[in-house]
Amino acid sequence: GAVVSQHPSWVICKSGTSVKIECRSLDFQATTMFWYRQFPKQSLMLMATSNEGSKATYEQGVEKDKFLINHASLTLSTLTVTSAHPEDSSFYICSATIAGGPWNEQFFGPGTRLTVL
Amino acid sequence: AQSVAQPEDQVNVAEGNPLTVKCTYSVSGNPYLFWYVQYPNRGLQFLLKYITGDNLVKGSYGFEAEFNKSQTSFHLKKPSALVSDSALYFCAVLHNTDKLIFGTGTRLQVFP
Repeated sequence: GAVVSQHPSWVICKSGTSVKIECRSLDFQATTMFWYRQFPKQSLMLMATSNEGSKATYEQGVEKDKFLINHASLTLSTLTVTSAHPEDSSFYICSATIAGGPWNEQFFGPGTRLTVL
Repeated sequence: AQSVAQPEDQVNVAEGNPLTVKCTYSVSGNPYLFWYVQYPNRGLQFLLKYITGDNLVKGSYGFEAEFNKSQTSFHLKKPSALVSDSALYFCAVLHNTDKLIFGTGTRLQVFP
């Protein structure tokens, strides 16, 4: 149980286009979803925390207009990278916590590799 | 501020030998500590966590970690390494009950 999926697993796009990444909890309802960014050979950096039905909370230094997060249901959160540029190329990972479950358990998706040309 | 440090970028060990991946933490209050493993181009897999109770925590795949309050450490250990254990390992601390703060990661290389 507690499986989190991401789609797509990898995407290549042209500079200036927007890319949407989906994060789904497959077998549980997620009260909170997190979006992380990971540069090559570096750690995960939390970008934002999203709660179903409310606005996402962004970490300091993360542009909310650049990285749009929508958490429309208890099983789906989306991250849209708007007007993507090469510096946005990265590995994006989401995680989710179970509604009513231990608050400290985060279940991670497999990640999405974004390459902006 | 909560933080974790992983002082080693890479740890090399021969298959069958014991392994240790180091982690130290800095927190205010009680620490909630985690270890995750990441295989290439994959998300993170949970290994184990310390919330309270016994200082020695046993987790997945034969891994364990020892919480040492006096040394503010939470080192990951395994008695006998496997080649398949080769991966990137992250220590993390929970901040404000919901945010995970990750260390920089340690690459474990197990040689046959």
